[in-house]
Amino acid sequence: DAGVIQSPRHEVTEMGQEVTLRCKPISGHNSLFWYRQTMMRGLELLIYFNNNVPIDDSGMPEDRFSAKMPNASFSTLKIQPSEPRDSAVYFCASSLARSEQFFGPGTRLTVL
Amino acid sequence: AQSVTQPDIHITVSEGASLELRCNYSYGATPYLFWYVQSPGQGLQLLLKYFSGDTLVQGIKGFEAEFKRSQSSFNLRKPSVHWSDAAEYFCAVGDMEYGNKLVFGAGTILRVKS
Repeated sequence: DAGVIQSPRHEVTEMGQEVTLRCKPISGHNSLFWYRQTMMRGLELLIYFNNNVPIDDSGMPEDRFSAKMPNASFSTLKIQPSEPRDSAVYFCASSLARSEQFFGPGTRLTVL
Repeated sequence: AQSVTQPDIHITVSEGASLELRCNYSYGATPYLFWYVQSPGQGLQLLLKYFSGDTLVQGIKGFEAEFKRSQSSFNLRKPSVHWSDAAEYFCAVGDMEYGNKLVFGAGTILRVKS
């Protein structure tokens, strides 16, 4: 099993640019989660999907952030426009119903 | 709302010594509890989980945790720490009624001295 796949692993961009992070969940999993991890705020849940439908996006910091899951094997997290305070490690995780979450390796985003 | 408290931000233990990392949770119903480990630059890896049944659960890498409902605790233990256990450890409580949403503690950084 390939596990959760995230791309890119590292992203460096300039303030104001659009950033798109990608995630491929484990095949067969029906829940997908996007997290952000920073030193100051720790691990925060941004949004999660169940059967491709967004269930809870209360953690999305503001309208600059959006997430989609067009099918069961792909999700994107987009930041437009990006700001330096968005610099963080972004994790994607997936799970089966009522089971543990499996995390991807993360995308380290740096906004200059 | 659920919450998780990990009271120790940093812990340092000697290699070969025993380890206990504390975790307290707040949750109205029977909790689903997890411990994850994160090595530098890596994602989170599941160490063990408690859903129901035996309150002492065994995990990978020689770790175990005990669920104590009366104390709202789920402490992680290891009898003999190895240098490779140096990492950050996260306790989480799961709300299985709303998918598998997890609430994480702030984490405990474990340092192992030789």
